[in-house]
Amino acid sequence: ETGVTQTPRHLVMGMTNKKSLKCEQHLGHNAMYWYKQSAKKPLELMFVYSLEERVENNSVPSRFSPECPNSSHLFLHLHTLQPEDSALYLCASSGGSEQFFGPGTRLTVL
Amino acid sequence: KQEVTQIPAALSVPEGENLVLNCSFTDSAIYNLQWFRQDPGKGLTSLLLIQSSQREQTSGRLNASLDKSSGRSTLYIAASQPGDSATYLCAVSTGGSEKLVFGKGMKLTVNP
Repeated sequence: ETGVTQTPRHLVMGMTNKKSLKCEQHLGHNAMYWYKQSAKKPLELMFVYSLEERVENNSVPSRFSPECPNSSHLFLHLHTLQPEDSALYLCASSGGSEQFFGPGTRLTVL
Repeated sequence: KQEVTQIPAALSVPEGENLVLNCSFTDSAIYNLQWFRQDPGKGLTSLLLIQSSQREQTSGRLNASLDKSSGRSTLYIAASQPGDSATYLCAVSTGGSEKLVFGKGMKLTVNP
């Protein structure tokens, strides 16, 4: 257990669905991140929130919409996704230099 | 643009061997370097963090070194065990501590 939890752990959705991924950290950190991990590719940083403000949007399509209502929670809202968006979505948090990761949500888009 | 390379992509060894995992990066202006372990279908577990001003860090059977000027880091695993089987990822922090750039990882299999 790293102190970062993610729900759901697995998600299957159609291209017209709307769903949300949730991340919660119990470490008192002030920064949270979304990463995408696709097969055969390095982890890609998607979004960074610091003190609940978005400080990085790494050219992510608008069909991915992040939300950070407070320093402990981070959401990733999904709508009209494509099959190539199927991947493992990882959340992380940090209070300094080191990042701590959650277990991820395995997303499959049909 | 920072790029991180881990070679080889996979390694299979018998139990008990001492291992060296390599990581190289193109831009030496890093903030820190972090080694992670990932088990199949799981998230990442942080193993060691080396600040840019440090040369090495140790935790149990693991030792990580950093040579910033040559753009290299090495993760040394002593007396490998089957439980060490996992994918090992190297990541460097660039442009501030918030941005991690990852390598593709190295899949390690330690055979009993």
